[in-house]
Amino acid sequence: EPEVTQTPSHQVTQMGQEVILRCVPISNHLYFYWYRQILGQKVEFLVSFYNNEISEKSEIFDDQFSVERPDGSNFTLKIRSTKLEDSAMYFCASSEMLGSGYGYTFGSGTRLTVV
Amino acid sequence: AQSVTQLGSHVSVSEGALVLLRCNYSSSVPPYLFWYVQYPNQGLQLLLKYTTGATLVKGINGFEAEFKKSETSFHLTKPSAHMSDAAEYFCAVFLRGATNKLIFGTGTLLAVQP
Repeated sequence: EPEVTQTPSHQVTQMGQEVILRCVPISNHLYFYWYRQILGQKVEFLVSFYNNEISEKSEIFDDQFSVERPDGSNFTLKIRSTKLEDSAMYFCASSEMLGSGYGYTFGSGTRLTVV
Repeated sequence: AQSVTQLGSHVSVSEGALVLLRCNYSSSVPPYLFWYVQYPNQGLQLLLKYTTGATLVKGINGFEAEFKKSETSFHLTKPSAHMSDAAEYFCAVFLRGATNKLIFGTGTLLAVQP
Protein backbone atom coordinates (compact mmCIF):
# COMPACT_ATOMS: atom_id res chain seq x y z
CA GLU A 1 0.00 0.00 0.00
CA PRO A 2 1.43 3.42 -0.91
CA GLU A 3 2.67 5.43 2.04
CA VAL A 4 3.48 9.00 2.94
CA THR A 5 6.97 9.04 4.41
CA GLN A 6 8.16 11.62 6.92
CA THR A 7 11.65 12.27 8.19
CA PRO A 8 12.96 12.57 10.80
CA SER A 9 10.64 10.78 13.20
CA HIS A 10 11.97 12.84 16.09
CA GLN A 11 13.79 16.15 16.15
CA VAL A 12 15.04 18.17 19.07
CA THR A 13 16.07 21.74 18.41
CA GLN A 14 17.00 24.80 20.38
CA MET A 15 14.66 27.75 20.50
CA GLY A 16 15.42 30.19 17.70
CA GLN A 17 16.86 27.57 15.39
CA GLU A 18 15.47 26.76 11.97
CA VAL A 19 14.08 23.31 11.30
CA ILE A 20 13.00 21.59 8.12
CA LEU A 21 10.56 18.72 8.27
CA ARG A 22 10.51 16.48 5.25
CA CYS A 23 7.78 14.48 3.61
CA VAL A 24 7.53 12.28 0.55
CA PRO A 25 3.87 12.18 -0.53
CA ILE A 26 2.32 9.39 -2.54
CA SER A 27 3.64 9.70 -6.06
CA ASN A 28 0.39 10.26 -7.98
CA HIS A 29 -1.14 12.57 -5.40
CA LEU A 30 -1.47 16.22 -6.29
CA TYR A 31 -2.55 17.86 -3.02
CA PHE A 32 -0.34 18.12 0.01
CA TYR A 33 -0.98 19.18 3.57
CA TRP A 34 0.68 19.81 6.89
CA TYR A 35 -1.12 19.35 10.18
CA ARG A 36 0.17 19.53 13.72
CA GLN A 37 -0.90 18.03 17.02
CA ILE A 38 0.28 19.62 20.22
CA LEU A 39 0.52 16.98 22.93
CA GLY A 40 -2.92 16.14 24.26
CA GLN A 41 -4.71 18.44 21.84
CA LYS A 42 -6.56 18.14 18.58
CA VAL A 43 -5.05 17.76 15.14
CA GLU A 44 -4.87 21.22 13.59
CA PHE A 45 -4.64 22.22 9.95
CA LEU A 46 -1.62 24.28 8.98
CA VAL A 47 -1.50 24.53 5.21
CA SER A 48 -2.55 22.96 1.93
CA PHE A 49 -0.47 23.04 -1.23
CA TYR A 50 -1.29 22.42 -4.86
CA ASN A 51 0.40 23.18 -8.14
CA ASN A 52 3.45 24.59 -6.39
CA GLU A 53 1.60 27.13 -4.35
CA ILE A 54 -0.27 27.41 -1.09
CA SER A 55 -3.99 26.96 -1.61
CA GLU A 56 -5.09 27.54 1.96
CA LYS A 57 -3.44 28.25 5.29
CA SER A 58 -4.54 28.63 8.87
CA GLU A 59 -3.91 31.43 11.34
CA ILE A 60 -1.20 29.26 12.88
CA PHE A 61 0.77 29.34 9.63
CA ASP A 62 2.40 32.72 10.11
CA ASP A 63 5.54 34.18 8.57
CA GLN A 64 7.72 31.79 10.56
CA PHE A 65 6.41 28.91 8.47
CA SER A 66 7.00 28.09 4.83
CA VAL A 67 6.43 25.11 2.58
CA GLU A 68 8.18 23.99 -0.54
CA ARG A 69 8.19 21.19 -3.06
CA PRO A 70 11.80 21.50 -4.09
CA ASP A 71 12.27 18.57 -6.41
CA GLY A 72 8.94 17.06 -7.44
CA SER A 73 8.97 14.37 -4.80
CA ASN A 74 9.70 15.99 -1.44
CA PHE A 75 7.38 18.35 0.37
CA THR A 76 8.97 20.32 3.19
CA LEU A 77 7.81 22.43 6.10
CA LYS A 78 10.30 24.99 7.36
CA ILE A 79 10.02 26.77 10.67
CA ARG A 80 12.34 29.73 10.50
CA SER A 81 12.90 30.49 14.17
CA THR A 82 11.40 27.90 16.45
CA LYS A 83 9.56 28.76 19.63
CA LEU A 84 8.78 26.55 22.59
CA GLU A 85 5.14 26.45 21.56
CA ASP A 86 6.10 24.92 18.21
CA SER A 87 6.75 21.65 20.03
CA ALA A 88 4.24 19.23 18.54
CA MET A 89 3.76 16.26 16.28
CA TYR A 90 3.72 17.41 12.67
CA PHE A 91 1.85 15.31 10.15
CA CYS A 92 2.18 15.47 6.40
CA ALA A 93 -0.69 14.23 4.24
CA SER A 94 -1.48 13.92 0.58
CA SER A 95 -4.61 13.32 -1.45
CA GLU A 96 -5.30 12.37 -5.01
CA MET A 97 -8.12 14.75 -5.71
CA LEU A 98 -9.40 18.04 -4.44
CA GLY A 99 -12.61 17.58 -2.51
CA SER A 100 -11.04 14.71 -0.66
CA GLY A 101 -13.79 12.20 -0.97
CA TYR A 102 -10.87 9.86 -1.11
CA GLY A 103 -9.58 10.93 2.25
CA TYR A 104 -6.08 11.97 3.04
CA THR A 105 -3.17 9.60 3.54
CA PHE A 106 -1.13 10.70 6.52
CA GLY A 107 2.48 10.05 7.33
CA SER A 108 3.62 8.76 10.71
CA GLY A 109 4.61 12.22 11.82
CA THR A 110 7.67 14.08 13.06
CA ARG A 111 7.79 14.80 16.76
CA LEU A 112 9.43 18.20 17.16
CA THR A 113 10.69 19.22 20.56
CA VAL A 114 11.90 22.77 21.02
CA VAL A 115 14.08 23.29 24.10
CA ALA B 1 -18.67 27.94 10.89
CA GLN B 2 -17.93 24.30 10.43
CA SER B 3 -16.97 22.18 13.40
CA VAL B 4 -16.74 18.68 14.70
CA THR B 5 -17.60 17.69 18.25
CA GLN B 6 -16.59 14.43 19.82
CA LEU B 7 -18.38 13.69 23.07
CA GLY B 8 -16.17 12.00 25.60
CA SER B 9 -12.43 12.50 25.51
CA HIS B 10 -11.96 9.13 27.20
CA VAL B 11 -14.07 6.01 26.75
CA SER B 12 -13.39 2.72 28.51
CA VAL B 13 -15.03 -0.57 27.57
CA SER B 14 -14.51 -4.19 28.46
CA GLU B 15 -13.16 -6.60 25.91
CA GLY B 16 -16.09 -8.00 23.95
CA ALA B 17 -18.37 -5.07 24.74
CA LEU B 18 -19.92 -2.65 22.28
CA VAL B 19 -17.82 0.33 21.28
CA LEU B 20 -19.67 3.59 20.63
CA LEU B 21 -17.72 6.76 19.92
CA ARG B 22 -19.80 9.83 19.26
CA CYS B 23 -19.28 12.51 16.64
CA ASN B 24 -21.48 15.43 15.71
CA TYR B 25 -20.78 18.00 13.07
CA SER B 26 -22.10 21.35 12.05
CA SER B 27 -22.21 22.21 8.38
CA SER B 28 -24.30 24.24 6.00
CA VAL B 29 -23.24 22.10 3.05
CA PRO B 30 -23.25 18.32 2.63
CA PRO B 31 -20.07 17.11 4.29
CA TYR B 32 -17.66 14.31 3.73
CA LEU B 33 -17.10 12.55 7.07
CA PHE B 34 -14.18 10.46 8.23
CA TRP B 35 -12.95 8.50 11.18
CA TYR B 36 -9.22 8.17 11.72
CA VAL B 37 -7.43 6.04 14.28
CA GLN B 38 -4.08 6.82 15.88
CA TYR B 39 -2.24 4.03 17.64
CA PRO B 40 0.44 5.04 20.15
CA ASN B 41 3.40 6.74 18.51
CA GLN B 42 1.95 6.25 15.05
CA GLY B 43 0.30 8.37 12.39
CA LEU B 44 -3.33 8.77 11.47
CA GLN B 45 -4.93 5.83 9.71
CA LEU B 46 -8.21 6.10 7.85
CA LEU B 47 -10.84 3.82 9.38
CA LEU B 48 -13.79 4.69 7.18
CA LYS B 49 -15.46 7.51 5.32
CA TYR B 50 -18.84 8.72 4.19
CA THR B 51 -19.12 10.70 0.98
CA THR B 52 -22.42 9.92 -0.72
CA GLY B 53 -24.79 6.99 -1.05
CA ALA B 54 -25.35 4.43 1.67
CA THR B 55 -25.42 6.07 5.05
CA LEU B 56 -24.05 3.05 6.89
CA VAL B 57 -20.40 2.66 6.04
CA LYS B 58 -18.11 -0.17 7.02
CA GLY B 59 -14.45 0.28 7.68
CA ILE B 60 -11.44 -1.68 8.68
CA ASN B 61 -11.12 -3.80 11.82
CA GLY B 62 -14.88 -4.35 12.13
CA PHE B 63 -15.79 -0.71 12.68
CA GLU B 64 -18.75 0.97 11.09
CA ALA B 65 -20.42 4.36 11.24
CA GLU B 66 -23.80 5.72 10.27
CA PHE B 67 -24.39 9.15 8.81
CA LYS B 68 -27.59 10.62 10.22
CA LYS B 69 -28.33 13.93 8.58
CA SER B 70 -31.29 14.70 10.84
CA GLU B 71 -29.07 14.34 13.90
CA THR B 72 -25.90 15.73 12.23
CA SER B 73 -24.10 12.72 13.62
CA PHE B 74 -21.57 10.18 12.45
CA HIS B 75 -21.06 7.86 15.42
CA LEU B 76 -18.50 5.07 15.24
CA THR B 77 -19.41 1.61 16.47
CA LYS B 78 -17.97 -1.86 16.80
CA PRO B 79 -20.04 -4.73 18.16
CA SER B 80 -17.25 -6.36 20.14
CA ALA B 81 -14.15 -4.57 21.38
CA HIS B 82 -10.74 -6.15 21.14
CA MET B 83 -7.68 -5.23 23.14
CA SER B 84 -5.98 -4.11 19.94
CA ASP B 85 -8.66 -1.44 19.45
CA ALA B 86 -7.12 0.67 22.21
CA ALA B 87 -6.13 3.89 20.45
CA GLU B 88 -7.21 7.45 19.89
CA TYR B 89 -10.03 7.99 17.41
CA PHE B 90 -10.60 11.20 15.51
CA CYS B 91 -13.71 12.24 13.66
CA ALA B 92 -13.10 14.66 10.79
CA VAL B 93 -15.22 16.63 8.35
CA PHE B 94 -14.47 17.98 4.90
CA LEU B 95 -16.82 20.60 3.55
CA ARG B 96 -17.24 20.23 -0.17
CA GLY B 97 -16.72 23.39 -2.13
CA ALA B 98 -16.13 25.52 0.93
CA THR B 99 -12.59 24.75 1.88
CA ASN B 100 -9.64 22.56 1.19
CA LYS B 101 -8.94 21.07 4.56
CA LEU B 102 -10.06 18.34 6.88
CA ILE B 103 -11.28 19.61 10.22
CA PHE B 104 -10.68 17.26 13.12
CA GLY B 105 -12.50 16.73 16.35
CA THR B 106 -10.64 16.71 19.64
CA GLY B 107 -10.33 12.94 19.65
CA THR B 108 -11.55 10.15 21.89
CA LEU B 109 -9.10 7.88 23.66
CA LEU B 110 -10.49 4.36 23.78
CA ALA B 111 -9.30 2.04 26.52
CA VAL B 112 -10.20 -1.65 26.42
CA GLN B 113 -10.17 -3.49 29.72
CA PRO B 114 -9.56 -7.25 29.87
